[in-house]
Amino acid sequence: GAGVSQTPSNKVTEKGKYVELRCDPISGHTALYWYRQSLGQGPEFLIYFQGTGAADDSGLPNDRFFAVRPEGSVSTLKIQRTERGDSAVYLCASSASQGNEQFFGPGTRLTVL
Amino acid sequence: AQSVSQHNHHVILSEAASLELGCNYSYGGTVNLFWYVQYPGQHLQLLLKYFSGDPLVKGIKGFEAEFIKSKFSFNLRKPSVQWSDTAEYFCAVNKNTGKLIFGQGTTLQVKP
Repeated sequence: GAGVSQTPSNKVTEKGKYVELRCDPISGHTALYWYRQSLGQGPEFLIYFQGTGAADDSGLPNDRFFAVRPEGSVSTLKIQRTERGDSAVYLCASSASQGNEQFFGPGTRLTVL
Repeated sequence: AQSVSQHNHHVILSEAASLELGCNYSYGGTVNLFWYVQYPGQHLQLLLKYFSGDPLVKGIKGFEAEFIKSKFSFNLRKPSVQWSDTAEYFCAVNKNTGKLIFGQGTTLQVKP
């Protein structure tokens, strides 16, 4: 079946702009996760959802970052007033339930000029 | 701070050599342990996982890992690597929550 999909695959924006990154999880997966991966580093946890609610948002770096999952399926990661330091690959993953194997999407490469 | 450490950042091997990649974590109590692999141009994929039971875990493509609780380690092994094993390998830990904590990764280059 279809895996986790993320759009766009690449996003180039200017400092100060607003961006939205979308994640479509595997159908039926109740848990959805966002990570950020900088060059030469492992993925860094941002937030995860169990259903529609954010179960743990402790990894969001500051209040410029926000994520939603209004219907318990698709999720959007929103970044306001982007900064050059936000440049990274943003990964989304989903799992059948929390704690189980997470299936990762291809990521969105965000470049802030 | 709680963390996951991968000691080898870049490993270069010839085909048929044996592989061992180190992973140590600093969490106490019960943990779930994972190794993920990212082949060039592809997504992160699960190689193997340990939740409980036999501490020697077999994964895909001939990989295995051993959980040694007393050493807080979960090292990845393969007896004979192939050129197609060239990839980046990540160790990760969670404590039955959704949050995976990853090591910084090991780049494996296998020379044909």
